[in-house]
Amino acid sequence: DTEVTQTPKHLVMGMTNKKSLKCEQHMGHRAMYWYKQKAKKPPELMFVYSYEKLSINESVPSRFSPECPNSSLLNLHLHALQPEDSALYLCASSQDRFGQGYQPQHFGDGTRLSIL
Amino acid sequence: QQPVQSPQAVILREGEDAVINCSSSKALYSVHWYRQKHGEAPVFLMILLKGGEQKGHDKISASFNEKKQQSSLYLTASQLSYSGTYFCGTGVNRDDKIIFGKGTRLHILP
Repeated sequence: DTEVTQTPKHLVMGMTNKKSLKCEQHMGHRAMYWYKQKAKKPPELMFVYSYEKLSINESVPSRFSPECPNSSLLNLHLHALQPEDSALYLCASSQDRFGQGYQPQHFGDGTRLSIL
Repeated sequence: QQPVQSPQAVILREGEDAVINCSSSKALYSVHWYRQKHGEAPVFLMILLKGGEQKGHDKISASFNEKKQQSSLYLTASQLSYSGTYFCGTGVNRDDKIIFGKGTRLHILP
């Protein structure tokens, strides 16, 4: 079990659906991340939140919309996704944004997303 | 820029040693090592900072050669539990994002 909890574990959705992924951590971390991981590939950074503010957006298409309601929660809202968006979506957290270079990241188990 | 890992894959028998390398074309501030088992989250192993560090715990250790812009992960007397994909992640300064290499798949046979 990891200390970063992601729900749901699996999600199948059509291209016209709207859904959300949820991530929660209670380690007091102030930096939270969304990654996308395709099979046999490394995690690719999508977004970084630091102290509940969006600090990095890696030119992610607008059909992905992140939200950080408070320091423990991170959401990823999905709308009008494409089949190529099917992947494992990982959430991670670390102590703070300033010092990503030397802060370990704690990953959740991910949400496996399939777009029909 | 994405770091380069080598080898891409390794098959070992239990008890054998392994070395996984990670190199960058940029000057590095830090190197992170993670292990990911199939269907599971990546798990943090260690971070090495510029200055030429060497770290280790149990039978897993790593070195960071700042001048050569490369790091190596050493797995000694490998155990079945060491199987998985090892990713190095590099950062060019303390505030920078981490970019992961393509990974090295390690399979330990009994």
